[in-house]
Amino acid sequence: DQQVKQNSPSLSVQEGRISILNCDYTNSMFDYFLWYKKYPAEGPTFLISISSIKDKNEDGRFTVFLNKSAKHLSLHIVPSQPGDSAVYFCAAIGAGSYQLTFGKGTKLSVIP
Amino acid sequence: ETGVTQTPRHLVMGMTNKKSLKCEQHLGHNAMYWYKQSAKKPLELMFVYSLEERVENNSVPSRFSPECPNSSHLFLHLHTLQPEDSALYLCASSQEATGLSNSPLHFGNGTRLTVT
Repeated sequence: DQQVKQNSPSLSVQEGRISILNCDYTNSMFDYFLWYKKYPAEGPTFLISISSIKDKNEDGRFTVFLNKSAKHLSLHIVPSQPGDSAVYFCAAIGAGSYQLTFGKGTKLSVIP
Repeated sequence: ETGVTQTPRHLVMGMTNKKSLKCEQHLGHNAMYWYKQSAKKPLELMFVYSLEERVENNSVPSRFSPECPNSSHLFLHLHTLQPEDSALYLCASSQEATGLSNSPLHFGNGTRLTVT
C-alpha cells in the first residue's frame, strides 16, 4: 500500500503562471518531507524540504506547504518557467528511519 | 565531475551472467544508498551504508549483493537475475544517513539495467 501518493501523473501550466503539485501521505509517523525534481536521463535532484514543525517553507520561486491534519503537502512554483518542465517526486521520512518513501511522481510541462 | 557518478549508464545481461554496478561520490558524504526504480513504481530503497557499514537491507533478494569498500565507493554485484529485475538503479549519497539527520540525498544518473 502506497504511503506517499501523487495522484496527478501529469500537469500542464502556461509559462508565468503558478504550478501546484500535490502530495498526500498516510503514515502519521512521517515528520520530514522533501521534493525532488528529475529531468530525463538524469537522477533526481533535491529541491526543497519541510519539517513537520512548520507549515510553510519558501526558497525563491518554490514554496512547500504542509497541512498535517489533512496529511497533505503541496509544492508551488511561481512564476513557472519552461526549464521547470520535469518529473517532481514527493518523499517523506520518519524520525530514526532510513526509509525515505517516494511518491510515483508528477510530470510537469510548462508551455512557453 | 558530477557529485555522484554511476557506471555503466546502460547494461544488458543474461540471467546467468554476473555483473557489477559502480557508484562513486565526490562530495565527502558519509552515507551511500542503492535505490531501484521500476516502471510505473515509486523509487524503492534497497540498501543503506553509513560509514561503510550496512545499516539497512530492505528485504532485497540475495541475487543483489552490495559492497562498500570505503565511504566514496559503492558497488552492487548482480548474479542470476530475473527479467523482472530490469529497472533503473540509482545510487545516492548524503552527508549523514537519513534517519540520523535530514541531509538530502544526492543522486547519480542511474544505470538502466535490462535482464534478458
